[in-house]
Amino acid sequence: GAVVSQHPSWVICKSGTSVKIECRSLDFQATTMFWYRQFPKQSLMLMATSNEGSKATYEQGVEKDKFLINHASLTLSTLTVTSAHPEDSSFYICSGRDRWSSYEQYFGPGTRLTVT
Amino acid sequence: GESVGLHLPTLSVQEGDNSIINCAYSNSASDYFIWYKQESGKGPQFIIDIRSNMDKRQGQRVTVLLNKTVKHLSLQIAATQPGDSAVYFCAENPTNTGFQKLVFGTGTRLLVSP
Repeated sequence: GAVVSQHPSWVICKSGTSVKIECRSLDFQATTMFWYRQFPKQSLMLMATSNEGSKATYEQGVEKDKFLINHASLTLSTLTVTSAHPEDSSFYICSGRDRWSSYEQYFGPGTRLTVT
Repeated sequence: GESVGLHLPTLSVQEGDNSIINCAYSNSASDYFIWYKQESGKGPQFIIDIRSNMDKRQGQRVTVLLNKTVKHLSLQIAATQPGDSAVYFCAENPTNTGFQKLVFGTGTRLLVSP
């Protein structure tokens, strides 16, 4: 089946620093990748949608200058949290959609970010 | 606005019982629905999906029912096992969003006692 990996699985950083999270589709080409954020005991909230080679489309209320998304290839997307603050601590999950699929998204295992 | 909600935040069942998890959605333009299982500290795992032109779809031990009249979705798990304990999310794909994005419900925690 389609596999998506994320790296790192968890990260602790100091307030004011930047953190990069990688999302890779291992056995399929993901023309579209999605980034979600999930706070404890809450649902997944879509942050942005990125199409390979294009600028990401951000959901309302998500700061594009703070959450930088790059989708330079069909198998890799990155999310960089710039100038992180404690309120950015969350579980970040990416998903990829196969170029041949209309609907199904394959999710990564998530990255736990803790900002101290 | 778009919203997908669940009636029960927590469902406790005994091993071997059948479980039913419900979900209400508000966007009549949605044409595709998915149920996901999420274990603690992990990403969502696909369980079963259904398109809007269907009322019922069965998988292994799971059945999804769609009632478009009342905008209601349910997940039935037969012979629930302790390994089924997790949070279950329904998600919908509103056709009017352009990017085929998913809108997730609030989630139901399923607790299965041995």
